[in-house]
This record gives sequence, C-alpha cells and structure tokens, in this order.
Amino acid sequence: GENVEQHPSTLSVQEGDSAVIKCTYSDSASNYFPWYKQELGKRPQLIIDIRSNVGEKKDQRIAVTLNKTAKHFSLHITETQPEDSAVYFCAAGTSGTYKYIFGTGTRLKVLA
Amino acid sequence: EAQVTQNPRYLITVTGKKLTVTCSQNMNHEYMSWYRQDPGLGLRQIYYSMNVEVTDKGDVPEGYKVSRKEKRNFPLILESPSPNQTSLYFCASSLAGALNNEQFFGPGTRLTVL
Repeated sequence: GENVEQHPSTLSVQEGDSAVIKCTYSDSASNYFPWYKQELGKRPQLIIDIRSNVGEKKDQRIAVTLNKTAKHFSLHITETQPEDSAVYFCAAGTSGTYKYIFGTGTRLKVLA
Repeated sequence: EAQVTQNPRYLITVTGKKLTVTCSQNMNHEYMSWYRQDPGLGLRQIYYSMNVEVTDKGDVPEGYKVSRKEKRNFPLILESPSPNQTSLYFCASSLAGALNNEQFFGPGTRLTVL
C-alpha cells in the first residue's frame, strides 16, 4: 500500500543551526503535503503545507520543498531555537480519496 | 472558542468491553477523521468522514466503527477492544475535503486495554 518514509528519526542540532527533515512518498497521486509539529504531551499542529503545483514555500524560519519527480519533500528550519524542539510529522494527502498517510516522525532536539 | 474536543481523555478498560470515544467540533467542518498514534509508527488514519452519513476506511480500520449522524460529532466505537488497540487516539477536523485545509486535532485520548 501507500506509505511515507521519514528521515531521520531523531535529530540533534545546536541552537542557531539549521535542521532538515526529509520525506519520500509512494503514491504518485498525492498532491498535498502538510507538516505537523507535536510538542511533548500535546496535539499535532500544522506548521506549513505545500501543494503539488508548487516547488517551495517559506514562512519565516520554516520552508518546505517538493520534488514531484523524485517524490521527495523536505522541511527546513533555519536559526533553530530551543522551542523548536518537538516531534515533526510529514504527511501526504490525495484528492479524491481524502486519505492521509503520515510519516513516522522526527524527534528534533535543539541544544542550547 | 473554535475547538475539537474528545472524551474521555484517559481510559483503562478490559478486553471485550465495548467503548465509545466521542469527538465533537464547533467549527462547522465537513471533514472529520480518527487517527491512532503509536511509538515508532507515527499517526495512522483509522476512519474519516467527508460529511454527514459519509464515512470511509483509512489505513487501519480493523476493530473500529464510526458514525456521522450529525456534522459536529464523529464517535469512535470499539465493539470488542483488544490489547493491541492500546494507543493514543486523535480526532481531527477540517473544512471541505481536507486538502489544502488545515486539520485541527483534538487533545487526544489515551486508551489502555488490559
């Protein structure tokens, strides 16, 4: 079946450095790619998303890139801060079915 | 306040005892969905609903039932819970068909089946 692979599973960076999380999806019909941040004990919250007709999207320190040909999309966080520490999930959604497939998550630790 | 609520937040039960986890949203969202979250497996979609009386299976529907009789409510029913259904459950909702629209998650329900 369809799946989304997410790497790495854990990531530690020094405060101020950049962090990159990568996802690969299998369903070529996927056309919507959101990223969620989940702080410890909290619910997931959307931080950025991208549609298949766009290659890149930025929102302040966060950016997402999409390579449809390779079926890859990535989350980039620049100038990381301790409050960026959380678990990040990528997901792939498909119009017509409205099913979501999530990646297995990346635990990001920003070291002060 | 716009929100998704779930009840109960915590539940410990025994194998075979039917239970229902309620989910309600006050944002007039058409789309609602249930997920389970397990360590190392991320979020997996159980069932989703495009609108009243319309439901579809997600990736892991076995052992679960849902209903959508009203727009605001989307209960998750475990007719005969088993220990492998011990998990953290999230309900979510969004506008229209969910694509290009933010899913708002409930606070989660931690279920333990003994």
